[in-house]
Amino acid sequence: DAKTTQPNSMESNEEEPVHLPCNHSTISGTDYIHWYRQLPSQGPEYVIHGLTSNVNNRMASLAIAEDRKSSTLILHRATLRDAAVYYCILRDRGAQKLVFGQGTRLTINP
Amino acid sequence: DSGVTQTPKHLITATGQRVTLRCSPRSGDLSVYWYQQSLDQGLQFLIQYYNGEERAKGNILERFSAQQFPDLHSELNLSSLELGDSALYFCASSVETSGSYNEQFFGPGTRLTVL
Repeated sequence: DAKTTQPNSMESNEEEPVHLPCNHSTISGTDYIHWYRQLPSQGPEYVIHGLTSNVNNRMASLAIAEDRKSSTLILHRATLRDAAVYYCILRDRGAQKLVFGQGTRLTINP
Repeated sequence: DSGVTQTPKHLITATGQRVTLRCSPRSGDLSVYWYQQSLDQGLQFLIQYYNGEERAKGNILERFSAQQFPDLHSELNLSSLELGDSALYFCASSVETSGSYNEQFFGPGTRLTVL
């Protein structure tokens, strides 16, 4: 499974945008980029995924570099509820399992 | 609420014992996954079942086994328990549709403590 590299922790303020980076220099052409997050004392939850183009949904935006070797999860206006560990995961076409790394622990200051 | 239920929420047992963790997937989901989360290993995939059949295997110990029943609920059996098996065990489910990349919905987890 291709690996991802994320900062161990990040901090931001409430109502400000947050940009969570992820490096995946060994990504293959069939790897999708998935983001999940795990709120305190809960199971992980899906945030967003993409292949080549930038993606938006109600939770976040995903910006994918042209060479696909990095991506950024964007929370447009962070709330206290967004404090969680965010996982960037590469998922091969046809593979169903998720391979979690250490993730980024995001702290939101009021 | 993800729609995935897991029981029990907490389990405390002794070394050498055997326990069974239960998972009910979201209505309509055919695929069930089991993950283990420990402080030193993080979140690790254990095993996947699809419509009653084993589909993929991860870092699952031989002392552990799982099955998925005709009503699609799944059980994870852990035997000869060791202190190092203490962890959070998550079940997830998804609708597996050919050619798509369905999100996985995770349950609240079962916290296992082996004393």
